[in-house]
Amino acid sequence: NAGVTQTPKFRILKIGQSMTLQCAQDMNHNYMYWYRQDPGMGLKLIYYSVGAGITDKGEVPNGYNVSRSTTEDFPLRLELAAPSQTSVYFCASSYFGGRNYGYTFGSGTRLTVV
Amino acid sequence: QKEVEQDPGPLSVPEGAIVSLNCTYSNSAFQYFMWYRQYSRKGPELLMYTYSSGNKEDGRFTAQVDKSSKYISLFIRDSQPSDSATYLCAMSEETSGSRLTFGEGTQLTVNP
Repeated sequence: NAGVTQTPKFRILKIGQSMTLQCAQDMNHNYMYWYRQDPGMGLKLIYYSVGAGITDKGEVPNGYNVSRSTTEDFPLRLELAAPSQTSVYFCASSYFGGRNYGYTFGSGTRLTVV
Repeated sequence: QKEVEQDPGPLSVPEGAIVSLNCTYSNSAFQYFMWYRQYSRKGPELLMYTYSSGNKEDGRFTAQVDKSSKYISLFIRDSQPSDSATYLCAMSEETSGSRLTFGEGTQLTVNP
């Protein structure tokens, strides 16, 4: 049981480049989330999805896009990377919003934009 | 005002100390309360989970919820260097599908 798998683990991007952060879960969770974590700033929600074909914005969606074509996968797309997007990105999943069992997090993607 | 406020730390204690980590919240609809532990360069992992008020104990860890004061705590007894991590509180409303709201985390270092 792999849980939540994120790829890549590390990436350096140049300003203006684009990339997709991959996230896959094998627990048949219906909810999935993308967070960014900056030093001392906690977790900030970027986008979330309550099921295949349904996505919604979180606190800090600007500069990002998501899609959810299957239950398992929830990729995060960065267009025109900026230094402000340097952060650690975590994908998470849960049953029905996480109130009963919490979230399962991936191990993160460390992104540096130079 | 943030919905969840967490003591920012950082906190540094000697091995064997009792550690108290705390969060306050403003949303009286929160019913589910959790603590996550995050080791350096890792994703958060669920440590403790409680529903409504009361205490829950799991080994050296005790989670306490006081809904009347809108205050939750995590106590670590006989702290170990392996407890060194960032601890995040999280909470959720009763409504099905309600997302977790996280505190900003407290970094704990337990010195041998």
